[in-house]
Amino acid sequence: GQQLNQSPQSMFIQEGEDVSMNCTSSSIFNTWLWYKQEPGEGPVLLIALYKAGELTSNGRLTAQFGITRKDSFLNISASIPSDVGIYFCAGHPVSGGSNYKLTFGKGTLLTVNP
Amino acid sequence: GAGVSQSPSNKVTEKGKDVELRCDPISGHTALYWYRQSLGQGLEFLIYFQGNSAPDKSGLPSDRFSAERTGGSVSTLTIQRTQQEDSAVYLCASSLDWDRPEAFFGQGTRLTVV
Repeated sequence: GQQLNQSPQSMFIQEGEDVSMNCTSSSIFNTWLWYKQEPGEGPVLLIALYKAGELTSNGRLTAQFGITRKDSFLNISASIPSDVGIYFCAGHPVSGGSNYKLTFGKGTLLTVNP
Repeated sequence: GAGVSQSPSNKVTEKGKDVELRCDPISGHTALYWYRQSLGQGLEFLIYFQGNSAPDKSGLPSDRFSAERTGGSVSTLTIQRTQQEDSAVYLCASSLDWDRPEAFFGQGTRLTVV
């Protein structure tokens, strides 16, 4: 089945710094999704990407769908303390059957020092 | 409803007892996922329902775990003869269809086996 490698596993940064994290896959995806999870909550969808090369922003967040369709990255600019959480990437495959399900990366734990 | 609803939000049970966790997906969503998340860890896939297709049970960790989805809507995850290692947060997510993969999560059920 599909596997996603998400890196880094964790980041500890100073407020105001920019952040970058990425996911790579062993197979092609049709859709890339980025989620944020705060303590005690379920993951919340931040950005959805549907086309290779697509670059999409949501406030200070920017994500890109890699042209090979096997990778995606998420950037956060000018980080603030409320950016703290676990960020997950997720990919949706090209081919079907039961493997139409989403595959999630293991997450990037972001800590922002005020 | 407006979002994915899970109940109970917290469950404490004695080792060896059976538990049932409930998920009410977003109305009209045909795809439903169950995940397990241990403290500070990533999302462990358990089971995926898509419409009337046979569910993908490949993530269920043992035969003590089972899930059903009645009428294409509400889903119940059952854990029989609970063990302490079953303690985790169980998350449910739903998406509109197999080709609309944006998944929306509930708040989760925190299960503690004592």
